[in-house]
Amino acid sequence: DAGVIQSPRHEVTEMGQEVTLRCKPISGHNSLFWYRQTMMRGLELLIYFNNNVPIDDSGMPEDRFSAKMPNASFSTLKIQPSEPRDSAVYFCASSLARPEGEQYFGPGTRLTVT
Amino acid sequence: DAKTTQPNSMESNEEEPVHLPCNHSTISGTDYIHWYRQLPSQGPEYVIHGLTSNVNNRMASLAIAEDRKSSTLILHRATLRDAAVYYCIPALSNFGNEKLTFGTGTRLTIIP
Repeated sequence: DAGVIQSPRHEVTEMGQEVTLRCKPISGHNSLFWYRQTMMRGLELLIYFNNNVPIDDSGMPEDRFSAKMPNASFSTLKIQPSEPRDSAVYFCASSLARPEGEQYFGPGTRLTVT
Repeated sequence: DAKTTQPNSMESNEEEPVHLPCNHSTISGTDYIHWYRQLPSQGPEYVIHGLTSNVNNRMASLAIAEDRKSSTLILHRATLRDAAVYYCIPALSNFGNEKLTFGTGTRLTIIP
């Protein structure tokens, strides 16, 4: 099993540019989560999907952020336009929605906005 | 969300047991206690979770106080690979869809 796959692993972009982060969950998992980690705020949940449907996006910081899950094997997190304060490590996680459904995290994408 | 209190850091010698405490005095009756850890430069990794009874798995044991206001994660024989930040997270069980709120955790250092 390849685990949760995220791309790119590192992204450096200039302020104002559009950034798209990608995630492939573990095959068969039906829940997907996007988290962001910074030194100041720690690890925080941005949004999660169940069966490709967004369930809770209350953690999305503002309208510049959007997330989609067009099918069970792919999700994107888009930032448009990007700002320096968006610099962080973004993690994607997936789980199998069952009583013992622990979340499996990907390796993360380190985003730097200059 | 239940508030948690964990030591900022702990040290342990290699091959010795480690007891990582967590206070969650405001936990609700239906919250499970989840533990995750994050190794350097990696995403968090599930360790264990429980509700009321003590739990064991291949990675660790979880001891839950009778009043559920605290719990202890036990690593029976620490290795260098166990050096990580350990997070204690009370969360309402939602069949894998738990909204996990990560605090600052405990940074565990293993001394060779």
